[in-house]
Amino acid sequence: DAGITQSPRHKVTETGTPVTLRCHQTENHRYMYWYRQDPGHGLRLIHYSYGVKDTDKGEVSDGYSVSRSKTEDFLLTLESATSSQTSVYFCAIRGRKNTEAFFGQGTRLTVV
Amino acid sequence: AQTVTQSQPEMSVQEAETVTLSCTYDTSESDYYLFWYKQPPSRQMILVIRQEAYKQQNATENRFSVNFQKAAKSFSLKISDSQLGDAAMYFCAYSMNRDDKIIFGKGTRLHILP
Repeated sequence: DAGITQSPRHKVTETGTPVTLRCHQTENHRYMYWYRQDPGHGLRLIHYSYGVKDTDKGEVSDGYSVSRSKTEDFLLTLESATSSQTSVYFCAIRGRKNTEAFFGQGTRLTVV
Repeated sequence: AQTVTQSQPEMSVQEAETVTLSCTYDTSESDYYLFWYKQPPSRQMILVIRQEAYKQQNATENRFSVNFQKAAKSFSLKISDSQLGDAAMYFCAYSMNRDDKIIFGKGTRLHILP
């Protein structure tokens, strides 16, 4: 299994509070991605990174920011959580030699 | 923009039978990658099979095979001899190249009937 860990695995937070989700990899892969999964929508890309300090927006980036100061860590921040951001969040990594992405276990975030 | 469409939200198949899940995609590129991922109730995302567009031969992994029709932009997954453990959500996905983002369809939930 690819060495990719998401934390926390579950979180309940209140509307308006900031939340940071962490993705940590031990594979030294260049590419990292954050997706959200919602019923009826599949996986939608939030942000992705193609190297340290190199990030780009996905299709549902509003309300989210990311940072990647080290190859192994990719942080997703909800600046002010809203109920519409209740979802399961997945991190994925992809190496230069790989065609496919490897996924973390997912984080279930509930905003109340 | 590239899109991936899975037109079957849910499907059911009898155990030991064969089932085909459909996927179409839209792209103007000639070289790209296609994937099928499986997500069982554990929520883990598992790669089932991959196909490189430049390869004309359909990919096969044990009981799983694809029917890749490049001109029609179709990429269906066939599961032979369905087993109870095949029950899951299946996602079709596209990537323009190794460096690009991966775009997913909305998924097809597959039920296996004993």
